[in-house]
Amino acid sequence: DAGITQSPRYKITETGRQVTLMCHQTWSHSYMFWYRQDLGHGLRLIYYSAAADITDKGEVPDGYVVSRSKTENFPLTLESATRSQTSVYFCASSDRSADGSENSPLHFGNGTRLTVT
Amino acid sequence: KQEVTQIPAALSVPEGENLVLNCSFTDSAIYNLQWFRQDPGKGLTSLLLIQSSQREQTSGRLNASLDKSSGRSTLYIAASQPGDSATYLCAGRVSSYKLIFGSGTRLLVRP
Repeated sequence: DAGITQSPRYKITETGRQVTLMCHQTWSHSYMFWYRQDLGHGLRLIYYSAAADITDKGEVPDGYVVSRSKTENFPLTLESATRSQTSVYFCASSDRSADGSENSPLHFGNGTRLTVT
Repeated sequence: KQEVTQIPAALSVPEGENLVLNCSFTDSAIYNLQWFRQDPGKGLTSLLLIQSSQREQTSGRLNASLDKSSGRSTLYIAASQPGDSATYLCAGRVSSYKLIFGSGTRLLVRP
C-alpha cells in the first residue's frame, strides 16, 4: 500500500541500549522528517532530510542519529537510549513543489511508541 | 519567533451542530497553513492545506479559511458527527523543512 510505514509500532528498551526506528515511504517524496510528540510539548522536529544523503538537525537532535541512503527510507537511531527519550515518534514526508512554493502537504506515519525503562 | 495557538483546547458539542475551530499565528510569512486530524494512538491525517495566496479550501463537510493579515485560520465542520471526534491540529509552514504546530483542539461530538 502507498504511504508511510513505521516500524515497530511499539518498542520497550532499556537505558543505554541502541534502538533504531524505521520509516519507509512509497511516494518518492523528497522531504522526510522525524518528530517526537510529548504531552506539554506538542510535536518537535528531531531531524529532517531534503533528499537522499542530505540530512540536517531540527529542534531536538541530541541523542539521535539519522541516515538516508535511499530516498524511501529514513531510519532514526537512538545511540544510547535515555528515559527522557520515552515518547511517540512520528515520521513524515512531503514532496518538493516544482515551483518552489513549498506547498505540498505533509503526510505522517502511524508512529512508534517507545518506552525506555 | 513564530507561534501557533489553537483555541479552545477542548470542545464538546452535540451531534449535528456546526462548529468552528480557531488557529492563530504570530508571523504572516507562511507558505501555507495545514489542518490535521489525530485519532488516539494514531498519526496525523492531513485534512486541508491552504496556500498563502488562497482564502479558503473545502473538502466535504470541512471548510478551512486563511486570513494572513490577521494571522488567523478557521476550520469549519458542518453537521458534526460522533466520528468527527478527534484532536485537530493546525500547522504553519515557514520554510521548506519547518512547520510550526499548534497544540491542538480536542473535539468530542456527543451522540
